[in-house]
Amino acid sequence: QVQLQESGPGLVAPSETLSLTCTVYGYSVTSPVWWSWVRQPPGWGLEWLGEVHQSGSTNYNPSLKSRLTMSVDKSTNQLSLRLTSVTAADTALYFCAAVQTGTRYFAPWGQGALVTVSA
Amino acid sequence: QSALTQPHSVSGSLGQSVTISCTGTNADLGASNYVSWYQLLPGRAPKLILYAVIQRPSGVPDRFSGSKSGNTASLTISGLQAEDEGRYYCSSIDANSVYVFGTGTEVTV
Repeated sequence: QVQLQESGPGLVAPSETLSLTCTVYGYSVTSPVWWSWVRQPPGWGLEWLGEVHQSGSTNYNPSLKSRLTMSVDKSTNQLSLRLTSVTAADTALYFCAAVQTGTRYFAPWGQGALVTVSA
Repeated sequence: QSALTQPHSVSGSLGQSVTISCTGTNADLGASNYVSWYQLLPGRAPKLILYAVIQRPSGVPDRFSGSKSGNTASLTISGLQAEDEGRYYCSSIDANSVYVFGTGTEVTV
């Protein structure tokens, strides 16, 4: 059974860099999958941040592209997300999710990691 | 890209049917059959309910069904059960291959 689990600091200071890791269990990150990150600000809906392939290829949401970096670590079977110059607007529940190559739906998802941007 | 539009909430009694609409534009939902639906519950991983407009993943009851007409997709829950409560989001992809989500609908039984 494939499971994803996000982890990282729950509190980030304004203007700093948000870093999260998604550990994949029961499946190799080198599989034909695009690994996505999605976030949900408190009280708001879902926002797709971007996706990364094990080849290193990435696609980012244009609204965040200048601040985003996503990567895959084959040695640890993990994904990583970096978002620079954060503000309070980046406070959200961050999810990682899988999109099988050739499809356009997210399954499975992780439970999410809450990140608060505050001094 | 703008969020797809969903009703804020829908409610129904046990056994009744409810339908959630998801409206986009010609540039996203209207131009794609990549419409999927997700159920979000607090503290749990989001769950895929439907994909490719009408397809149900293994394990999803057949009381969940989907359709699409023009720029609007719909999720219908027939024979509403208590465990169907939660917040539901639709998703599609736009012409620039950016995924867009709906505004979310709270289902109350």
